[in-house]
Amino acid sequence: EPEVTQTPSHQVTQMGQEVILRCVPISNHLYFYWYRQILGQKVEFLVSFYNNEISEKSEIFDDQFSVERPDGSNFTLKIRSTKLEDSAMYFCASTEERIGPGFNEQFFGPGTRLTVL
Amino acid sequence: GQNIDQPTEMTATEGAIVQINCTYQTSGFNGLFWYQQHAGEAPTFLSYNVLDGLEEKGRFSSFLSRSKGYSYLLLKELQMKDSASYLCAVRGDQGGKLIFGQGTELSVKP
Repeated sequence: EPEVTQTPSHQVTQMGQEVILRCVPISNHLYFYWYRQILGQKVEFLVSFYNNEISEKSEIFDDQFSVERPDGSNFTLKIRSTKLEDSAMYFCASTEERIGPGFNEQFFGPGTRLTVL
Repeated sequence: GQNIDQPTEMTATEGAIVQINCTYQTSGFNGLFWYQQHAGEAPTFLSYNVLDGLEEKGRFSSFLSRSKGYSYLLLKELQMKDSASYLCAVRGDQGGKLIFGQGTELSVKP
């Protein structure tokens, strides 16, 4: 069964360093998302991406964040200068169909646990 | 604003039935999703409702009332492996992003 994959599973970094989190969405999917979950808190939307551009972003997704689809398979989230409060689990998700009122399941990757020291 | 409320935690007995409620207030509505999340793992899809009524899928059922901004997830014949966090999420507009509730931590005891 196709699945979303993410690397690394765990990333430890020093405050102020740049990190890049990588995701490989399911191959025929069109929409890609990043969410984060701070330990003990709810899953929060960061950004959605379609047709090589950002569709929507949340207030969390400030200038320190960027996303890219550098080739036909990878989807990356970059944090330019990490802060302690960026420590969280970051989930990538993808969905197959063009967005509309019908059902389309978002498939989540296993997540990258980011620890900022 | 966007607000999704669900109980923080619930406890139930193996073999029993449990109902997890979710109420929502969002600026738009294009479907309500239930996900299961085991500790340290990704959310996995359980059910989807966009029209009022009950959707049944094996041991899991989900109900929606759009006029009341209310949904519930019903789990029957509980098993120990059902111990997990259950996340209610609303797709507020057609853009696709999901707005999640805090999650309900369900403990199934023998």
